[in-house]
Amino acid sequence: GNSVTQMEGPVTLSEEAFLTINCTYTATGYPSLFWYVQYPGEGLQLLLKATKADDKGSNKGFEATYRKETTSFHLEKGSVQVSDSAVYFCALKPNNNDMRFGAGTRLTVKP
Amino acid sequence: SQTIHQWPATLVQPVGSPLSLECTVEGTSNPNLYWYRQAAGRGLQLLFYSVGIGQISSEVPQNLSASRPQDRQFILSSKKLLLSDSGFYLCAWSRELATNEKLFFGSGTQLSVL
Repeated sequence: GNSVTQMEGPVTLSEEAFLTINCTYTATGYPSLFWYVQYPGEGLQLLLKATKADDKGSNKGFEATYRKETTSFHLEKGSVQVSDSAVYFCALKPNNNDMRFGAGTRLTVKP
Repeated sequence: SQTIHQWPATLVQPVGSPLSLECTVEGTSNPNLYWYRQAAGRGLQLLFYSVGIGQISSEVPQNLSASRPQDRQFILSSKKLLLSDSGFYLCAWSRELATNEKLFFGSGTQLSVL
């Protein structure tokens, strides 16, 4: 089946630290991959996406590369800020209507 | 521009009572509509999705049901709530069937069943 496995949190970092949140997936066909972010008190919003192998999605300093050989889509940022504190969800959308989400990783960045 | 409205924002209900959460989308036609639940300490779980009026697909067996009486209206219901129904419910929509289409989420409903 189609599923996403995401590294468990919570993750606590100091400002300007390097961030990696691991995400691996299982899917049939050629899914698109997404990272969504949920800031405190808000709904989810799209952070970045990649639609085919070797594509790199990027936004707000975050990056993730669609790796078909390792079935991964790890989220990275070189220097996190306090404002990046949020819950991050990895997701995949296979060749049908529904999107599958990971369990979410809570990130707290301390000044 | 398109907007999605979801209400109420918070809800406290006793066990055994009925539930009705409503979601509407404006500024688009024939959207794909979704209900997700985010339980405490867990990720997002897809509950229902709909590709058109009266067309509902259920992902998991549960105490809940969904209906789509109009093109841009999606309702989540229960006849008798259980404690395990507590959680954060999110409505979402997307434009097309294409795999690269993103979801647009509503602001969510925090449901507490006591």
